[in-house]
Amino acid sequence: DVKVTQSSRYLVKRTGEKVFLECVQDMDHENMFWYRQDPGLGLRLIYFSYDVKMKEKGDIPEGYSVSREKKERFSLILESASTNQTSMYLCASSASIGVPAGYTFGSGTRLTVV
Amino acid sequence: KNEVEQSPQNLTAQEGEFITINCSYSVGISALHWLQQHPGGGIVSLFMLSSGKKKHGRLIATINIQEKHSSLHITASHPRDSAVYICAVWVNTDKLIFGTGTRLQVFP
Repeated sequence: DVKVTQSSRYLVKRTGEKVFLECVQDMDHENMFWYRQDPGLGLRLIYFSYDVKMKEKGDIPEGYSVSREKKERFSLILESASTNQTSMYLCASSASIGVPAGYTFGSGTRLTVV
Repeated sequence: KNEVEQSPQNLTAQEGEFITINCSYSVGISALHWLQQHPGGGIVSLFMLSSGKKKHGRLIATINIQEKHSSLHITASHPRDSAVYICAVWVNTDKLIFGTGTRLQVFP
């Protein structure tokens, strides 16, 4: 069964902490994505990556960075966590470039910043 | 105004009822995606379609490209169908825009 695995389901961090959210996929997908989901706003794209060591800003990259050192792993980094980054974070991957392709999502990480 | 609008935002039903969730969009698209999100967060892909109609079990998705509208139907609904249903559209093949979701609760 193909999977996208997010390392934590729930996280509580303090304001100012550096936070790492990890995502691993086992499908050899080229594309990986980080979204945040907030009530009434739907999923919003933070960053995405089309290949190892490549990254592109999404719609709301401020306050975040990413790392993709290996094809299967895409990490989201909150350099200095703030309370407005309390949210559900979802990782996804897809196979194709340039054509609509089905996404496979992780189970999500619910991050609370206090 | 959101580029992808879903209605209703919340929906309750009795087990066995026929359910319709609507999605309207204002941009040109190459395909539309219906997704299901259960409590706890994980999202599952239900359908991806660019024309006509697709069916999988009790789920049916239709799309009318000219009217920029899609519907997701659930026949003989069951409590296990309770979830948030999300419509997303592909713009220019590489950008996915999500609706805010429809929360469905089916009671026995």
